Amino acid sequence: EAQVTQNPRYLITVTGKKLTVTCSQNMNHEYMSWYRQDPGLGLRQIYYSMNVEVTDKGDVPEGYKVSRKEKRNFPLILESPSPNQTSLYFCASSFKWDYGYTFGSGTRLTVV
Amino acid sequence: RKEVEQDPGPFNVPEGATVAFNCTYSNSASQSFFWYRQDCRKEPKLLMSVYSSGNEDGRFTAQLNRASQYISLLIRDSKLSDSATYLCVVSGNTPLVFGKGTRLSVIA
Repeated sequence: EAQVTQNPRYLITVTGKKLTVTCSQNMNHEYMSWYRQDPGLGLRQIYYSMNVEVTDKGDVPEGYKVSRKEKRNFPLILESPSPNQTSLYFCASSFKWDYGYTFGSGTRLTVV
Repeated sequence: RKEVEQDPGPFNVPEGATVAFNCTYSNSASQSFFWYRQDCRKEPKLLMSVYSSGNEDGRFTAQLNRASQYISLLIRDSKLSDSATYLCVVSGNTPLVFGKGTRLSVIA
């Protein structure tokens, strides 16, 4: 089944404890992206990647890191999480950046 | 002006009604347009692409007006299961720009 898989689905962590949210797609998509969604603010792009080893900042990259060492994986790293990073996170992938995106099921992160 | 603007709603309509949403965009160079559907706390799912000639998929019709820079979504014969938030998506100078969504509640 073609899909984007995110893990974990839910995570509660403490301020400052490094964490990684994984994202993997099995559709051989070149484009991958991370979003966060907060009430009233809609989907905001964190980082995106046009292809392997190519990553760019989105609208809200502060406090996040990404890497794209393989085509299928695009992990999101929070080196020192803070409470303002409490949010619902989505990974998305696409054949091309301006094609329709397939989203993962989301990761609900709470930083206390 | 925001890149993509939508009326947040909510639109509360009875079953069987026809409802229409509009979305305006600011980048006249945009080439790709989509409507997504998002259920509460779930991931957005592609509903349909929007082509210059307009397109229809069952009860759903999407149209593009480049001159006035808006896209529309028409839902006919609304079902309870259509209750969701509908996101307008437009290609910009960077990868796709998502509107904040219009919430639809279909009432029995």
